[in-house]
Amino acid sequence: AQKITQTQPGMFVQEKEAVTLDCTYDTSDPSYGLFWYKQPSSGEMIFLIYQGSYDQQNATEGRYSLNFQKARKSANLVISASQLGDSAMYFCAMRNYPNTGNQFYFGTGTSLTVIP
Amino acid sequence: DAGVTQSPTHLIKTRGQHVTLRCSPISGHKSVSWYQQVLGQGPQFIFQYYEKEERGRGNFPDRFSARQFPNYSSELNVNALLLGDSALYLCASSLALDKVAQETQYFGPGTRLLVL
Repeated sequence: AQKITQTQPGMFVQEKEAVTLDCTYDTSDPSYGLFWYKQPSSGEMIFLIYQGSYDQQNATEGRYSLNFQKARKSANLVISASQLGDSAMYFCAMRNYPNTGNQFYFGTGTSLTVIP
Repeated sequence: DAGVTQSPTHLIKTRGQHVTLRCSPISGHKSVSWYQQVLGQGPQFIFQYYEKEERGRGNFPDRFSARQFPNYSSELNVNALLLGDSALYLCASSLALDKVAQETQYFGPGTRLLVL
C-alpha cells in the first residue's frame, strides 16, 4: 500500500533561517514521483517541487530543495531563508506508476509558522 | 493563462440534499481529479477522469459521482449529503494520464462545503 508520513504537525522557524520539513513514504512500485505542495489559509494547493525516483540529484527550485534519500524512503523539504509569507500548511505527496496511475497520495501535512 | 477554476467557492447545504461542484482545468489539460480535504487532514482522492472516462476511484461511497465533459471540464455530484461530507473539495488538472510518475497536478482554489 502507498503511504506518506509527515510526523511534524507543527514547526516554527525564525525569519531568514532555514527549516526542514520531514516526509517518509512507503511504496513497492519502482517508479514514483514525490511532490511538495504549500497550502495557505486560502485553501489552494500550490506546487513547490518534484523529485523522481530515478533522479540522481536532489531537486531544487529557488529557495526550496528536496533532500531525497531513496534507501531511507525519505523526501524532506528544505526551505532556505524563510520569509513571513512561507507560513502555511505543507503537504508531501506521492504518485506511483504503474499501479495507481494519476492518483496522488498525501500526507497529513505540517503547519509552518515563520516568526519575525 | 488561467489556472484551474472551481465553482462555487462556498456552499451551505442541509443533510439529505444534493450538491454539484464544478471545475474547469487549465487550458490543454485533459485529466481532472477530485479530492476531499477534511479539516486537519491531507486531501483524499475521490475520482480521476481522462478523456471523459473514469480512470480511478478512491474509497468513497456511491453517493459520490462525477463526469467529464467534451471541453474537459468536470462536475462532482454528491447525493444524500451527510454532516461528514463537510470539507474542502479540490479539483486538480494535469496534461494527460501520463505513464510517468513525474506529471504534476495543479490544483484549483477549492469549494468549501458545509453540511448542516
